[in-house]
Amino acid sequence: GIQVEQSPPDLILQEGANSTLRCNFSDSVNNLQWFHQNPWGQLINLFYIPSGTKQNGRLSATTVATERYSLLYISSSQTTDSGVYFCAASVTDSWGKLQFGAGTQVVVTP
Amino acid sequence: DVKVTQSSRYLVKRTGEKVFLECVQDMDHENMFWYRQDPGLGLRLIYFSYDVKMKEKGDIPEGYSVSREKKERFSLILESASTNQTSMYLCASSLGSGGNTGELFFGEGSRLTVL
Repeated sequence: GIQVEQSPPDLILQEGANSTLRCNFSDSVNNLQWFHQNPWGQLINLFYIPSGTKQNGRLSATTVATERYSLLYISSSQTTDSGVYFCAASVTDSWGKLQFGAGTQVVVTP
Repeated sequence: DVKVTQSSRYLVKRTGEKVFLECVQDMDHENMFWYRQDPGLGLRLIYFSYDVKMKEKGDIPEGYSVSREKKERFSLILESASTNQTSMYLCASSLGSGGNTGELFFGEGSRLTVL
C-alpha cells in the first residue's frame, strides 16, 4: 500500500514564527488531507487537497501530486496551533483506506 | 458544518464485557469509518461501511464487529473486551464515491480503558 511520511516529527516554535510541515507519499494519490489533532484528541479537518494550493486564514497547503509531496504552512503561529498535524492519503485502488502519516508534534511557546 | 457524534468520550470496562461504541453523523454521508489510535502505532482502520448493512474490513478487524442498520449510525462492537483493546477510538464519515474515499470528518473520539 501507499507509504506516507511526515517531517519533521517534532517542532517547537515561538509564538509568531512561521513553519512548514512536509508530507511525502509513495504513489499517485486521489485523496490527500491535512488534520490537526487537538489536545482533547479530536481530529479537525484543515485541508482536502489532492492537488493545488489552498489557504484558510493563517494556514495554507500545497500539494504537488507529480512530485508526490504536500506542504502545510503555518504563519504567525499561536499557542492554539499546538498539537499533532497529520496528513493522510489514498490511491484509487485502495478505496476506503486512507493511510495516515505518523504526524508532526507542534509546540508553540508564548 | 458536518457533525459526527460519538456516544461516549470515556469508558472503563472489564475484561470479557461486551462493549458498544456508537457513532452518528448528520450529513447524509454514505461512508463511515472506525479507527483506533495508539501511541507509536498511529491511526489504524478497523472497519468501514459504504452503505447501510454493508461493511468492509480495514487493517485490524480482529476482535471487532460493526453494525450499520441506518445510514446515519455506525456502531463498533467489542464482543469480549480485552486489555489490548484499550485505546482511543475515532469514528469518521465521508461523502466519497467512485474510487475516492472523500473528505473525512471525525468525531471527538472515545477513550476506552479495559481493566
